[in-house]
Formats: sequence, C-alpha cells, structure tokens
Amino acid sequence: GAVVSQHPSRVICKSGTSVKIECRSLDFQATTMFWYRQFPKQSLMLMATSNEGSKATYEQGVEKDKFLINHASLTLSTLTVTSAHPEDSSFYICSAPNPGTGENEQFFGPGTRLTVL
Amino acid sequence: LAKTTQPISMDSYEGQEVNITCSHNNIATNDYITWYQQFPSQGPRFIIQGYKTKVTNEVASLFIPADRKSSTLSLPRVSLSDTAVYYCLVGDDFGNEKLTFGTGTRLTIIP
Repeated sequence: GAVVSQHPSRVICKSGTSVKIECRSLDFQATTMFWYRQFPKQSLMLMATSNEGSKATYEQGVEKDKFLINHASLTLSTLTVTSAHPEDSSFYICSAPNPGTGENEQFFGPGTRLTVL
Repeated sequence: LAKTTQPISMDSYEGQEVNITCSHNNIATNDYITWYQQFPSQGPRFIIQGYKTKVTNEVASLFIPADRKSSTLSLPRVSLSDTAVYYCLVGDDFGNEKLTFGTGTRLTIIP
C-alpha cells in the first residue's frame, strides 16, 4: 500500500508557542489530505480537509486561525498549531487517498503526539 | 456516511477466533463496509472491505448478511499482537471522502 509519513513523531512545547506538523505522501500524489485529532481513549475526530491549491475546509468547531493548514505541494500538507495550550495536547493524524491505485481506501500517517506544557 | 454501532470493548484468549459485529441500519445502496485497525500511538490501518456476502484476505474475514444492516469482522486464531482498536466504517467513497470514525471496539487479547 501507499505510504504516508508524518514529522515529527512527537513534540513537546511550551504553552504559547507554535508547532508545525508535516504530512507527506511518499510514493504518490495527494490533492487532498485529511487531518484528525485523537484524545486518549477516544476515537479519531476529523479537524479539516487540506486541499492543494486552495483553502482548507474546517469541520464545525475547529478554529481555522488556530490550526493553520497549508497544502504546499501534491505531496505535502502542514498543520500548524498556533499559540498552543495544554488542552491542544493530543495525537494528530493525517490521511490521504491514493487515486492512482484505484483502491477505495485512505492511507494514514503514523501520527504526531503533541504535548503542550 | 451511515452511522455505525459496535461494542466498546471485547476480551479474548490467544488462539481463539474473535468476531466483532457492527450495526449499520441506515446503510445506503452504494455504501461499502470497511474495517480499520489501530494500535496504540499509531495511525489506523486498513484491514478489509466488502459490499456483500463474504470477503477474506490474509488478515481477516468479513461477513455481510443479505440485508447489509450489519457486518462481522472475524479474526482467526488471535495473538497478543491483535490487541488494538477496530473501527467499522460505512461509505461509498472511502478513497476520497472524509471519514467519520465511531467509537471502535477495543479488543484485548489475554495470554
């Protein structure tokens, strides 16, 4: 299957700082990527849809000015958590469809664990 | 996307066959059923997908009755490494549309 990577795998930052998380499709192009957030013992919650060449689409309740998404190329989407606070501590996961293979599935990255002190 | 309901948790002993059932009463004609597996601190991984009857791959089997209002993921002879959360999703375009994850089933394999 296709490979999606994320960087960093884990990050610890101080409250008030900004953190950038990268999501890359390694062997295919993705015009669309999805960003999820997962709190401990909970399910994945979709945050936004990242679109190459256009603005991201945010789910209801997700602050677009706090969670900045940039789909810089056909293989890279970034999520920047601005002015992070302890309540933003979570596991952030991205996914991308692989239209090239015709498989009816999405491929998920390994996730990024953010801890805000 | 159709709403799904599955047990919150299940326990099983090593070597047993585990069946996890998912209810999706409002499944649409064009919808497929897909199961994902998620290990702690990892992204979800595709396990199996089906439309009707039975699908089998090297990892699991998926049983779907004629009315398609439910489905059962069957894991043969589980091992400790099968301890994970299993999510059932229903939709017609998993490759492109945003996914809505339900609670999932937390499967714990006991030695």
